[in-house]
Amino acid sequence: GDSVTQMEGPVTLSEEAFLTINCTYTATGYPSLFWYVQYPGEGLQLLLKATKADDKGSNKGFEATYRKETTSFHLEKGSVQVSDSAVYFCALSPGGSGGYQKVTFGTGTKLQVIP
Amino acid sequence: GAVVSQHPSWVICKSGTSVKIECRSLDFQATTMFWYRQFPKQSLMLMATSNEGSKATYEQGVEKDKFLINHASLTLSTLTVTSAHPEDSSFYICSASGGKNPYEQYFGPGTRLTVT
Repeated sequence: GDSVTQMEGPVTLSEEAFLTINCTYTATGYPSLFWYVQYPGEGLQLLLKATKADDKGSNKGFEATYRKETTSFHLEKGSVQVSDSAVYFCALSPGGSGGYQKVTFGTGTKLQVIP
Repeated sequence: GAVVSQHPSWVICKSGTSVKIECRSLDFQATTMFWYRQFPKQSLMLMATSNEGSKATYEQGVEKDKFLINHASLTLSTLTVTSAHPEDSSFYICSASGGKNPYEQYFGPGTRLTVT
């Protein structure tokens, strides 16, 4: 079945440091890939997504590129801020037609940015 | 667009009572809604999937008689935790699909349930 593997956290960085959170996946076909962010006490918010190979999703300074050859979707940001402190989830859905899409989530990586 | 709300945002109930959580799609018609449970410091576990007007499909290991799901309209799904026990305390999150992009899920803010 489909699976998503994320690097374990927590990740602690100083403000303005470079961020990378690794994510690899196992899936058949051509899944869509997502990064979600969860701030303390809140639900999930879609951060960015990519629906086909070599697509780059970007939002709020975060980027991730869909690499089919390495089955990866690593999240990066050039300069993190304290407000980026949250839990980040990598996820995939099977893609294709049909409408109903079961999303498979990674275990989440907690990011803490210190001033 | 594609906003999903949940109510209540947090609830405390006594052991043995039932509690209902609502999930609403505010600006689109949600043909499919999903209910997740999140344990502390863990990922989301899909509990069930519901299509409007149909019975919910429960994931393996989820008690359908304990977690009653109703999707009576295209904008509302409810999760009722029956005869709640302290081990049911958790963060429950719903999501909905059916907006402009049918392959994407839009998540609600979650409901924190504490059973005493």
